[in-house]
Amino acid sequence: EPEVTQTPSHQVTQMGQEVILRCVPISNHLYFYWYRQILGQKVEFLVSFYNNEISEKSEIFDDQFSVERPDGSNFTLKIRSTKLEDSAMYFCASRSFGGPNYGYTFGSGTRLTVV
Amino acid sequence: AQKVTQAQTEISVVEKEDVTLDCVYETRDTTYYLFWYKQPPSGELVFLIRRNSFDEQNEISGRYSWNFQKSTSSFNFTITASQVVDSAVYFCALSEASSNYQLIWGAGTKLIIKP
Repeated sequence: EPEVTQTPSHQVTQMGQEVILRCVPISNHLYFYWYRQILGQKVEFLVSFYNNEISEKSEIFDDQFSVERPDGSNFTLKIRSTKLEDSAMYFCASRSFGGPNYGYTFGSGTRLTVV
Repeated sequence: AQKVTQAQTEISVVEKEDVTLDCVYETRDTTYYLFWYKQPPSGELVFLIRRNSFDEQNEISGRYSWNFQKSTSSFNFTITASQVVDSAVYFCALSEASSNYQLIWGAGTKLIIKP
């Protein structure tokens, strides 16, 4: 069964450093998402991406965050200058055209620890 | 206002008991999807079920069953004859056509199954 692949599985970074989280969505999917889960809390939507542009973003997704699909296969989330409160699990998801009935798949997440 | 409410923060039962996890949602869309995910201590999101707003049929999958009632805006999840391996956090989520099918998550219910 096709999978969404996220790398790395765990990243530790120093406060103020830039970090890039990588995702390889399912190849024929068209819509891409990033979600965040702070330890012990619920999962929160960050951003959705379609046709090479952001289609929706939450209040969490401020100027410190950016996304891009640099090469048609990877989908990346960049945090420009990490803060302690960015420590969380970050999940990438992708879905196909036509709504979730046709596929909506999550990666296994990247655990980001900012020290 | 919460769009997805999981009022039970934590439930603890003894193995082999039946347990129901509640989920109440709020939406103005006529086209939407409801999801249940399981999150074990390892942190990944394990997909359990997806149900669209046009299909109110209840579903059974082994020991798991789901009761979708549009009249009460609820999508409850029952585990029959619970097992220790069912211990996890369970999340209910809503996905609306009007917001590009981003998932809106409940706060989760931590389920503890005691041997």
